[in-house]
Amino acid sequence: GQQLNQSPQSMFIQEGEDVSMNCTSSSIFNTWLWYKQEPGEGPVLLIALYKAGELTSNGRLTAQFGITRKDSFLNISASIPSDVGIYFCAGQAWDNYGQNFVFGPGTRLSVLP
Amino acid sequence: NAGVTQTPKFQVLKTGQSMTLQCAQDMNHEYMSWYRQDPGMGLRLIHYSVGAGITDQGEVPNGYNVSRSTTEDFPLRLLSAAPSQTSVYFCASNQAGGSSETQYFGPGTRLLVL
Repeated sequence: GQQLNQSPQSMFIQEGEDVSMNCTSSSIFNTWLWYKQEPGEGPVLLIALYKAGELTSNGRLTAQFGITRKDSFLNISASIPSDVGIYFCAGQAWDNYGQNFVFGPGTRLSVLP
Repeated sequence: NAGVTQTPKFQVLKTGQSMTLQCAQDMNHEYMSWYRQDPGMGLRLIHYSVGAGITDQGEVPNGYNVSRSTTEDFPLRLLSAAPSQTSVYFCASNQAGGSSETQYFGPGTRLLVL
């Protein structure tokens, strides 16, 4: 099945550093979503992007919907220990069968004190 | 709002046993979906529903059945569990209409099939 390319696969950073991760696809999407998943929990929505070129912030998180509609990035500024988790991107589009959500494999973030 | 709820949180089955994973949402969302999450593979769609009485197959539907008798509930049935169905299962919902959607997830059911 279709999947998004998400990079990096994993990151080890020092507390206080900024983080950048991205998601790319060969397909165009109407919506880009960024989720965070902590151990033993379901994915929690962080940011939703609805228009090409849109730049949206949520606290220390900033995400952008690529102009080509085929990519998106997520930045986390001044990382803290509670940022640890797996970050998933997801693209949403409509196809012949209805709506379609496609997920990236995730970026695993570790924050070292 | 409780959002999307799932039960049970954990389950151990023997090969060949059947069970139903429950999912409910109180946001009056039209769309509901079931995903499985396996290490290194992200989330894969099992079945989805666009409204009460309407269901369809996703990417990995074999071995699973669903029904949607109400807007709120979307149970997932394993008729004869197999070890390959050991996974974490997530239910999700979103509102229909428009060109952009945002999907919300439940906390997951962790299933081990021996």
